[in-house]
Amino acid sequence: GDSVTQMEGPVTLSEEAFLTINCTYTATGYPSLFWYVQYPGEGLQLLLKATKADDKGSNKGFEATYRKETTSFHLEKGSVQVSDSAVYFCARLGYSTLTFGKGTMLLVSP
Amino acid sequence: EAQVTQNPRYLITVTGKKLTVTCSQNMNHEYMSWYRQDPGLGLRQIYYSMNVEVTDKGDVPEGYKVSRKEKRNFPLILESPSPNQTSLYFCASLQAGGTGELFFGEGSRLTVL
Repeated sequence: GDSVTQMEGPVTLSEEAFLTINCTYTATGYPSLFWYVQYPGEGLQLLLKATKADDKGSNKGFEATYRKETTSFHLEKGSVQVSDSAVYFCARLGYSTLTFGKGTMLLVSP
Repeated sequence: EAQVTQNPRYLITVTGKKLTVTCSQNMNHEYMSWYRQDPGLGLRQIYYSMNVEVTDKGDVPEGYKVSRKEKRNFPLILESPSPNQTSLYFCASLQAGGTGELFFGEGSRLTVL
């Protein structure tokens, strides 16, 4: 079945460091891909998305490129802030639902 | 304001006492879904509904029931809660044929003693 695998956390970084969170997906068809973010005590909200190969989604300084050849959708940010501390979920859109990865916690210290 | 509203946000109950978590969305979305979030397991889908009167099991449906009598509401029913249903629950909705973006409620933290 559809699945999404993302790196385990927590990822701990200092402010202004470079961030990469890896995500790979099962290549059944050509799914739309998403990154969601969950801030403490809140529900998930969409961070960015890409709907076809080579698309780059971007928002709030975060970027992810849909790589069909490696079935990957890694999340990157050039300079993280303390306010980026959250749990990040990679997801793929199947026929009837979004399938989520297990989430990666990011902790950014000043 | 477009939103998904869940109630209650927090609940402590005892084994076997039936409870319902309500979910309502104001975006006229056809698709609605329930997830539970547990440490180390991420988000797992419980049930989903593609439209009124159409519901299907997700990955972890055991011990739960749902109904979809009207488009805006999708309640989650625990007929006889057990401690292993202690979790954080999220309701979400999605516009069929749209961008695929799920809109989430703020979550309902349930503790079953």
